[in-house]
Amino acid sequence: KAGVTQTPRYLIKTRGQQVTLSCSPISGHRSVSWYQQTPGQGLQFLFEYFSETQRNKGNFPGRFSGRQFSNSRSEMNVSTLELGDSALYLCASSLATVQETQYFGPGTRLLVL
Amino acid sequence: SQQGEEDPQALSIQEGENATMNCSYKTSINNLQWYRQNSGRGLVHLILIRSNEREKHSGRLRVTLDTSKKSSSLLITASRAADTASYFCATDRYSSASKIIFGSGTRLSIRP
Repeated sequence: KAGVTQTPRYLIKTRGQQVTLSCSPISGHRSVSWYQQTPGQGLQFLFEYFSETQRNKGNFPGRFSGRQFSNSRSEMNVSTLELGDSALYLCASSLATVQETQYFGPGTRLLVL
Repeated sequence: SQQGEEDPQALSIQEGENATMNCSYKTSINNLQWYRQNSGRGLVHLILIRSNEREKHSGRLRVTLDTSKKSSSLLITASRAADTASYFCATDRYSSASKIIFGSGTRLSIRP
């Protein structure tokens, strides 16, 4: 089976812009989670989607949003980018819940200038 | 606040030696998982241990879980250069099935 894929791999944006990141989970996986990783804050949970519904959300402002499509592919959007949004954004998929083994994609490295 | 905290933050050992990393957490859990991350890439799942298990093995990896102390340890035996990576524990919360929290990680360096 193909692994989790994320696009794009690298992105440079300027403050105030918005960005959309995409994640394709492993075939058959219905749970997709997003994480933000920074040197200062470490790995932080953004949100989880299951069957097109957001099941849980971390402590991030409303500028961070996401969605999941019927084929389980997921997108996350960050509006009005801030310098502090520069990070590695990781997507992970699992069969049904985050409590199971999660399979991570390679990440999208976002740089906000 | 972090649910899981790894200790030590950084560890440097000679190739062939054993490496032990610890993880402490604060609230009751269902499962605890260990992941490895190589140099800013995606995480790779190593082991999942359930709250009713005390020890689990996978190849050169051994994980223990002490729910009374709310702690877990990851032992890597006969370390290799390829084991150089950051290691994270991830815990769920017993009352919240849809959220896991990663610790701050241990950076392991294997010297040749």
